[in-house]
Amino acid sequence: GAVVSQHPSRVICKSGTSVKIECRSLDFQATTMFWYRQFPKQSLMLMATSNEGSKATYEQGVEKDKFLINHASLTLSTLTVTSAHPEDSSFYICSARVVGATDTQYFGPGTRLTVL
Amino acid sequence: ILNVEQSPQSLHVQEGDSTNFTCSFPSSNFYALHWYRWETAKSPEALFVMTLNGDEKKKGRISATLNTKEGYSYLYIKGSQPEDSATYLCAFLNQAGTALIFGKGTTLSVSS
Repeated sequence: GAVVSQHPSRVICKSGTSVKIECRSLDFQATTMFWYRQFPKQSLMLMATSNEGSKATYEQGVEKDKFLINHASLTLSTLTVTSAHPEDSSFYICSARVVGATDTQYFGPGTRLTVL
Repeated sequence: ILNVEQSPQSLHVQEGDSTNFTCSFPSSNFYALHWYRWETAKSPEALFVMTLNGDEKKKGRISATLNTKEGYSYLYIKGSQPEDSATYLCAFLNQAGTALIFGKGTTLSVSS
């Protein structure tokens, strides 16, 4: 149980284009999903918290107009990297939280974005 | 700034060896400490969530301890197997936040 899928797993795009990444909870409902980014040899860094039916909460330094998050249903959150540039090349990974005593987060497998 | 440090960054052991690694975190405003196991090309897998000082948790050959007063947790693997090869992440959650603060991970390689 508690499986999270992420699509695509890998994407290469040209500078200036937009890329959408989907995060789905397959066998549970998630009112809260999280989007992280990981640069080489660095830790997972939280970008934003996505709440179903409301606006996402962005971490300091993350541009909300560049990284658009939509959480329209209890099983799907999307992250759109708008007007991507080479510096946006990174590993993006989502998680979904099961609300309870331990607040465990279940992760997707991640998306490797390369912007040329 | 909340810092979570993991050591060592990487290690290589032989099959059958036991090993352990460390996660250190801020000792103030502690709420929970999470351990994840992350194999290449797969999703990070939740191992333990620890909340109480002195907690010890076990899952098969893997166990973890927690000291919230001094701000550290140890992860132990007994009798390492090649399938234990992965990156082990710890993440700290403080009382104020909903966000996990991750360490950089310890990458374990087990040779047969």
